[in-house]
Amino acid sequence: DTGVSQNPRHKITKRGQNVTFRCDPISEHNRLYWYRQTLGQGPEFLTYFQNEAQLEKSRLLSDRFSAERPKGSFSTLEIQRTEQGDSAMYLCASSLNGGGGETQYFGPGTRLLVL
Amino acid sequence: GENVEQHPSTLSVQEGDSAVIKCTYSDSASNYFPWYKQELGKRPQLIIDIRSNVGEKKDQRIAVTLNKTAKHFSLHITETQPEDSAVYFCASSSGTYKYIFGTGTRLKVLA
Repeated sequence: DTGVSQNPRHKITKRGQNVTFRCDPISEHNRLYWYRQTLGQGPEFLTYFQNEAQLEKSRLLSDRFSAERPKGSFSTLEIQRTEQGDSAMYLCASSLNGGGGETQYFGPGTRLLVL
Repeated sequence: GENVEQHPSTLSVQEGDSAVIKCTYSDSASNYFPWYKQELGKRPQLIIDIRSNVGEKKDQRIAVTLNKTAKHFSLHITETQPEDSAVYFCASSSGTYKYIFGTGTRLKVLA
């Protein structure tokens, strides 16, 4: 499968614990995005990378959230001191820099439940 | 701020009828408008997209129209089939590349 992959697919954690999610983009794609989707809503942008550089972060991304893409390939999203409000589907997407108007291909998501 | 409004939130049609979903965007710099279909528990899948230099695009039973002046774009599905049942999201993108999504339309095609 050459699409975007995410691990784990599901995560249940207790409030206050730290969690880390991984995203592997399509191999030749240089842009990688993280979105959060809650039930009945559209995905909301969190942050994006061009190669290893994090170029934009949403105000939704509090200081408990950190994302990295150290070698410009896979990315990790860490949430520290999780809260119940963090429960959501975390989606990763990737695209190939085409000068604007790029199609983003989504992974299957990691569903987080904070108890 | 940047915003995309999507209507209706739910839509039920008889098999074989047409379905239309409408979106309005706020950022006049938006230049790319994709539509995604999301089935329950699955990833969003691109079904069609349109760029700001085009007014209409069609792919078999699916078409998208764009009115830049009014900042409206719409998805049209003809000859609907039960497998078209899903949640559909519109989105807009400008030079910042991130997508701003609408709130989704749950389409039910009744057999």
